[in-house]
Amino acid sequence: RKEVEQDPGPFNVPEGATVAFNCTYSNSASQSFFWYRQDCRKEPKLLMSVYSSGNEDGRFTAQLNRASQYISLLIRDSKLSDSATYLCVVNTPLANAGKSTFGDGTTLTVKP
Amino acid sequence: EAEVAQSPRYKITEKSQAVAFWCDPISGHATLYWYRQILGQGPELLVQFQDESVVDDSQLPKDRFSAERLKGVDSTLKIQPAELGDSAMYLCASSFAPGQLYGYTFGSGTRLTVV
Repeated sequence: RKEVEQDPGPFNVPEGATVAFNCTYSNSASQSFFWYRQDCRKEPKLLMSVYSSGNEDGRFTAQLNRASQYISLLIRDSKLSDSATYLCVVNTPLANAGKSTFGDGTTLTVKP
Repeated sequence: EAEVAQSPRYKITEKSQAVAFWCDPISGHATLYWYRQILGQGPELLVQFQDESVVDDSQLPKDRFSAERLKGVDSTLKIQPAELGDSAMYLCASSFAPGQLYGYTFGSGTRLTVV
């Protein structure tokens, strides 16, 4: 079993739809969490951190459920420009550094 | 906006040849990472530096890969000899402190094709 698992894609939704992605992690010691967005053949870019209390940035809402060890990303009112792969990152403290593990990503295609 | 610089953008090399990638992190970022991303998968950490010291290279195939960050600023990742399975995107990232708290800024990557 992978340390970080994401919903298998692709998600194909119409403009204006609400879509949610989940990401589960196996290490209960994990402490910080992020969502990254990656456009085709480009580098990942930080979308948002995920806080314990949940956080919102415009149309995007991230939530963390420590008990069930998953994080989620909700996108409301989807735009064509939201089409991308969304990667979750789980960070686990280790010795003097820490370990960041990426999921394999979920691909979203928003269609007119 | 500050950027992580990587070069080259694209590299085609023959199997068994040597290849090197270069990364210049955002000024002041002490932590530097090299990731490898195979198409359809998430990035996988190869090596993490804190200043000039390696703090994690557990996933680096040390028989053929090497990485250095001699002055704690820019970094070079080398593969010798390259194998067909090394074809991937090689991403460099940096952060002010270990990215566990702040996330990373990635460079635009080097897309390696081994033929």
